[in-house]
Amino acid sequence: GENVEQHPSTLSVQEGDSAVIKCTYSDSASNYFPWYKQELGKRPQLIIDIRSNVGEKKDQRIAVTLNKTAKHFSLHITETQPEDSAVYFCAARESGGYQKVTFGTGTKLQVIP
Amino acid sequence: ETGVTQTPRHLVMGMTNKKSLKCEQHLGHNAMYWYKQSAKKPLELMFVYNFKEQTENNSVPSRFSPECPNSSHLFLHLHTLQPEDSALYLCASSRGGDQPQHFGDGTRLSIL
Repeated sequence: GENVEQHPSTLSVQEGDSAVIKCTYSDSASNYFPWYKQELGKRPQLIIDIRSNVGEKKDQRIAVTLNKTAKHFSLHITETQPEDSAVYFCAARESGGYQKVTFGTGTKLQVIP
Repeated sequence: ETGVTQTPRHLVMGMTNKKSLKCEQHLGHNAMYWYKQSAKKPLELMFVYNFKEQTENNSVPSRFSPECPNSSHLFLHLHTLQPEDSALYLCASSRGGDQPQHFGDGTRLSIL
């Protein structure tokens, strides 16, 4: 099955700086890579996703890059704000599992005002 | 409005009790999921249903029994649970495996 590793587990940045979270996956046939944000006490919510036919996707201050050869993908948040503080999860959809998406272990991001 | 509703929000039960968690989605999705979220394994997939058929059982102990009577409703029946089963149980739905999952607010379960 798919194995997703996520780093770092915690990340502190100053407000206005950039934050980068990295994930690797094991199944070279995985084709869908979503990122979720979970604020304290709230449900995970999708913030951006990318498919295997695209190398980069951007949505305002958030961008995701995908390197299929190296089997890794990254989340980039620019001009961080205190409200970006949350736990971020990457995920990868297995090729074999019909609807199965495997999540990383999460990164707790703290943006210091 | 999330579109995915879970009840109850909180549940405290003894190890010998039997209870059920309920999830309902109003998004017209065909896939529904149960996840366990704890400090040790942040988002651990338990079960996947697609068009009411179970497509994934991620080696979950038999004391957890899922039920999906239709594409909009998903239950998790609990019996003879252990203290290590205390966690947040999240339900999610999606149009398919390569589509975003929409999560409910979860049920915080505590086993005494």
